[in-house]
Amino acid sequence: DAKTTQPPSMDCAEGRAANLPCNHSTISGNEYVYWYRQIHSQGPQYIIHGLKNNETNEMASLIITEDRKSSTLILPHATLRDTAVYYCIVRENTNAGKSTFGDGTTLTVKP
Amino acid sequence: GAVVSQHPSWVICKSGTSVKIECRSLDFQATTMFWYRQFPKQSLMLMATSNEGSKATYEQGVEKDKFLINHASLTLSTLTVTSAHPEDSSFYICSASPPRGLTEAFFGQGTRLTVV
Repeated sequence: DAKTTQPPSMDCAEGRAANLPCNHSTISGNEYVYWYRQIHSQGPQYIIHGLKNNETNEMASLIITEDRKSSTLILPHATLRDTAVYYCIVRENTNAGKSTFGDGTTLTVKP
Repeated sequence: GAVVSQHPSWVICKSGTSVKIECRSLDFQATTMFWYRQFPKQSLMLMATSNEGSKATYEQGVEKDKFLINHASLTLSTLTVTSAHPEDSSFYICSASPPRGLTEAFFGQGTRLTVV
């Protein structure tokens, strides 16, 4: 799996958009970008994934740069319950349960 | 959606005893399950890959005789921490390979093990 780099922490005001960056400059052509989050003392929760096109679901949007070397997860209207550690993972679509977790970004949403 | 359930959510045991943690896929069959360990303020570290009907594959540095994994059915994998010591205290999380048509992993809620 390609290595990812994320800022260790970020703050966001409640109701505002949270933009979480991830660098994955060594990503290969068949690797996808996955985002998970982990709320304190819980298991990770899947958020979204993409290959090269931007993706949107009910939780978030994923913006992947044209060269695929970085991406941004966007939570459009952050709430206090979005406070969590967000992990960006780059891997192939096979062997989905086997993921290499980096240190992630601790997002703190403040009132 | 696919649900993975772990049991127990937390457990306290005495040093030297063994503890079994269960990981179940509730509404799908998982040929492969994965076990992770997470120490406080650290990320998840993969311990082993559990394949239904065969021996588990352990990551480098993980003692297979200490962390016994059994995957006897397509919906259940168990992790037994044998002769537990305080340094084994950690958050243990399992995940399951997804149902057909999905590519994201599904994680259990985790088990907090405290060895006293």
